[in-house]
Order: sequence, then structure tokens, then C-alpha cells
Amino acid sequence: QSALTQPASVSGSPGQSITISCTGTSSDVGGYNYVSWYQQHPGKAPKLMIYDVNYRPSGVSNRFSGSKSGNTASLTISGLQAEDEADYYCNSYTTSNIRVFGGGTKLTVL
Amino acid sequence: EVQLVESGGGLVQPGGSLRLSCAASGFSFSTYGMSWVRQAPGKGLEWVAGISDSGVITSYADSVQGRLTISRDNSKNTVFLQMNSLTAEDSAVYYCAKNLADGVSDSDYWGQGALVTVSS
Repeated sequence: QSALTQPASVSGSPGQSITISCTGTSSDVGGYNYVSWYQQHPGKAPKLMIYDVNYRPSGVSNRFSGSKSGNTASLTISGLQAEDEADYYCNSYTTSNIRVFGGGTKLTVL
Repeated sequence: EVQLVESGGGLVQPGGSLRLSCAASGFSFSTYGMSWVRQAPGKGLEWVAGISDSGVITSYADSVQGRLTISRDNSKNTVFLQMNSLTAEDSAVYYCAKNLADGVSDSDYWGQGALVTVSS
């Protein structure tokens, strides 16, 4: 099972919006509405930000939103803040009844 | 408050074995699936294994199939990861995580991680 494809890095200025893409196949991202996004700050455990494509866990800011079109899922962060600077990973359920992560995207807030 | 505390990490020689434990508290352990996710130094996250609430159903990444075994003891609120035939590529921080639901679902709570180093 190959990892999902994410851009290595994205950047934006405070207040702006950014979008991180996550491309898979019809066997994972495209086949199920079970895509999630995790935020990870250096030295910390990952934090679930979006699950089932576009649902936010309790306590996650509504500045974070998710979507999916075909084999590509996206995470959008609006009103960018300094605290959003972190690594972001997408994750998907697959036909093999396992989950697979993307390679990760480093978000820099300029 | 949900808490997940991993233990059992350390230094092991190539070809050796190690058993990680994850003690859970603060939720109804026996009604949630659990997962192990690892992260090699400076690398991204890799989903390793998952187990259903009853422990009957397990799933593994291709990279660990046949060498790593996930199990759980619902009477002790603990999930385990038995690791055999370890190689340098298995060196990583291993995170235990509580799933949102039963089965191979997303994880909403994570432990602090246990470092495993495979080296001679």
C-alpha cells in the first residue's frame, strides 16, 4: 500500500487561507469517505483535526475544513494564525481494511 | 480524562524482539478500537496496526505483517504490540491511539509515544 501524496510544504501569511491536497487512488481516498487530517507540532503527538472528509472533532476550530473530489482530498485553513504552523498529515481507509498516511506537509506561517 | 501511557520501548539488537504496552484510562476501553502508529526520526507518520474492540479483528500494514502482532486485554485496559525480527527500519517512536469507534477508524486520542531503537 503506497503512501498518499501531499505537497512537502505550503506557506501563507497570517489571516490568509491555505489548502493542502492529498492524492490517493480509487482504493483509498476515492473509494471511501474516510479521509482524515492530523496536525503535529514538533515533539508532540498528532492531533485529529478532520475525520470522515469534513467533520471536526469537538474543540477543533471551524477555521479548519475538509473536502474531497475524486481521488483527491483537501484541507483548508482559513484565517491563518501563527499557532497553525505545524506538520499536517492526511490519512485514509483502504480496500485492504488498513489505513494509510500521506507523506506530510510542513505549513509555514510567514 | 482520556489517558494513554505507552511503555516497553528501548534499545534492541537487529533480529530481536520487544513488547510495547499501552495502559488506557478515562473511557470505556472495551468499546473502542485501538491503533499503533509509528514515526521514524525526522520522518512522517506510518499506520502500523489496528484492533477491534473485542480483539477478534486485527489489521496490519504490509511493512509489518507477520512480524508485529497487536493484541489487547480488556480486563486490564491495555493494548500490546509484540514486535519480532526487528530491523533498523523499525526504529521509531511508537504511538498508541484510541479510535473514534470500533474497527479501523481514525484516532482521537494519542499517547506520548515510546521510542524503539534497533541497533547493534
